[in-house]
Amino acid sequence: DAEITQSPRHKITETGRQVTLACHQTWNHNNMFWYRQDLGHGLRLIHYSYGVQDTNKGEVSDGYSVSRSNTEDLPLTLESAASSQTSVYFCASSDNGGGYTFGSGTRLTVV
Amino acid sequence: EDQVTQSPEALRLQEGESSSLNCSYTVSGLRGLFWYRQDPGKGPEFLFTLYSAGEEKEKERLKATLTKKESFLHITAPKPEDSATYLCAVQAGASEKLVFGKGTKLTVNP
Repeated sequence: DAEITQSPRHKITETGRQVTLACHQTWNHNNMFWYRQDLGHGLRLIHYSYGVQDTNKGEVSDGYSVSRSNTEDLPLTLESAASSQTSVYFCASSDNGGGYTFGSGTRLTVV
Repeated sequence: EDQVTQSPEALRLQEGESSSLNCSYTVSGLRGLFWYRQDPGKGPEFLFTLYSAGEEKEKERLKATLTKKESFLHITAPKPEDSATYLCAVQAGASEKLVFGKGTKLTVNP
């Protein structure tokens, strides 16, 4: 069965370190998205991609980057982790015009 | 700017007590309105997509409706297993992005 997987499920890192969160989908979807979810803010879009070599900034992109070298993967990199980036991160994918299929999330703690 | 507002933020019901959740939206060129269910520690799970005013969709005890300004998620005779956070999102214009509301946390007591 097709799926979307995120790894790791939990991560603790130190302030200033570079961190990469993985997202892999086997739906063959063109569109992939990264959101963060925080109490009081809901789901906020970080970065998104509509296909290989395409990346775009969302509403809260500062301090984050993504790259899309194939259809299946959209890794999210925190260049220099900050305490404000402690959050739960969700990856999602979709076909054009369709809703999202979400991963199970990565809980990141920056200490 | 596209905006989605969900109310109430939290709702407590007794088992069997029917109610509705509201999602009001302000967008230019609505393409679709989506409802998701999210359980603690998990990713959102797709429930419904509505595309035009007057459209209705049903799944078990849930029915979603859409007008030009808002959507309702009606829950009929809820059970404790319906307890979750329900998220509403809109897709507008030529974008594939979804803009989410903050959600309604539903608790159904036995």
